[in-house]
Formats: sequence, C-alpha cells, structure tokens
Amino acid sequence: AQKITQTQPGMFVQEKEAVTLDCTYDTSDPSYGLFWYKQPSSGEMIFLIYQGSYDQQNATEGRYSLNFQKARKSANLVISASQLGDSAMYFCAMTFPLYSSASKIIFGSGTRLSIRP
Amino acid sequence: KAGVTQTPRYLIKTRGQQVTLSCSPISGHRSVSWYQQTPGQGLQFLFEYFSETQRNKGNFPGRFSGRQFSNSRSEMNVSTLELGDSALYLCASSLESAGPYEQYFGPGTRLTVT
Repeated sequence: AQKITQTQPGMFVQEKEAVTLDCTYDTSDPSYGLFWYKQPSSGEMIFLIYQGSYDQQNATEGRYSLNFQKARKSANLVISASQLGDSAMYFCAMTFPLYSSASKIIFGSGTRLSIRP
Repeated sequence: KAGVTQTPRYLIKTRGQQVTLSCSPISGHRSVSWYQQTPGQGLQFLFEYFSETQRNKGNFPGRFSGRQFSNSRSEMNVSTLELGDSALYLCASSLESAGPYEQYFGPGTRLTVT
C-alpha cells in the first residue's frame, strides 16, 4: 500500500542555517508525484515544491529544493538560509498515478519546524 | 486574483446535527477537493469534484457528501455529526482534475462537534 513517512515530528533550527526535512515514500505505481506543503498556524496549506517520478533533475523553487532519491524512495525538502517566517508545519505528500482522473493523494504526518532567532 | 475562500471559518455543532461547508475556488479553476485534518489521523482526502461530477472519493462513510455547482463552487455536507468529525476541513482548487499537483488551498473551516 502507498505510504508517506515523515520521521521528524519537530525540529529546531537557528536562523540563517539550512535545514533538511525528511520524507520517505512507498508506492508500486511507476507514475507518481511528490509535494511539499507548508502550513502556518493560520491553517492554510501553501504549496512549496513538486517533483514528478519521471523528472530527471531535482526540483528547486527559490530557497526550497527537493532532494529526490528514487532508488531510496526519499524526497527530502531542503530549505536554505532559514528565516523566522519558515516556522510552520511541513507536510510531504504523494499523488498517484499521475495524469489520471482517478489520482489519489496521501500526506505524511508532518514536521513542525521552529526557527530560533 | 482572489484565492480560495471557505465559509464559515469556524463552526460549533452538536452531535447528531448536520452541517454544510462552502468553498469558492479560484476563478477559472474547475477542480475542487476536500480534505479533513485531525490531530489523530492527519490530513485525509475526502473527495474531488470536477465539472459538477465527483471524480474521486476517499475512505469516508456515506455521511460525508458533497456537490459542485456550475460556477465550480462546492459544498460539503456531513450528516448525523459525531464527536470524531471535529476537524479542520480544507478545500483546494486546481485548474484540472488529473494530477492535483497545482492545488491551492483555502484557510479551512474549523468544525467543533460537542
């Protein structure tokens, strides 16, 4: 069965340091997509970055990059030069199969990131 | 461009009642998905509507239903509320139904069942 695992319930990082949030997944579908979302205390989910299973290069969006290691089934989020505003819950998610009207999406349990000034 | 809006933002109901939540997607978006978020179960997919048709459904009982109107606005209904239905209900919209990777979420409706 498909599964997303985030093993870090909480993390504390000093401002301006880089941080890596771990995400491993399990699926038998060859076609899938991996996302990261940020959820501030306000509750709204904010899309950060996306990686498709067939994408050759790791996705990057500004300070966010996705370290995609297909053989290890991991999709870690790297935030460079962390800022106080990065303090939030972060969710890893997977959709499968891609480009299908029957696509499903599942989420990990989340990692609460706290940035120290 | 206005974002996804959800009404009401907060709701308190008693066990056994029913509730209707509303979601207005981003203009031009035809797909609307609903999610339930609880501390115990995390984020779970409820269902997705595209062009007024339910295209996908998660593993929730029939008490949870929804619909989508011709203007893409969507409503979610929960009948015979249970204490365990207390949750943050999130709505997300996207341009197309296939591949939800470009979803935009609303602020959510926090439902408390007493």
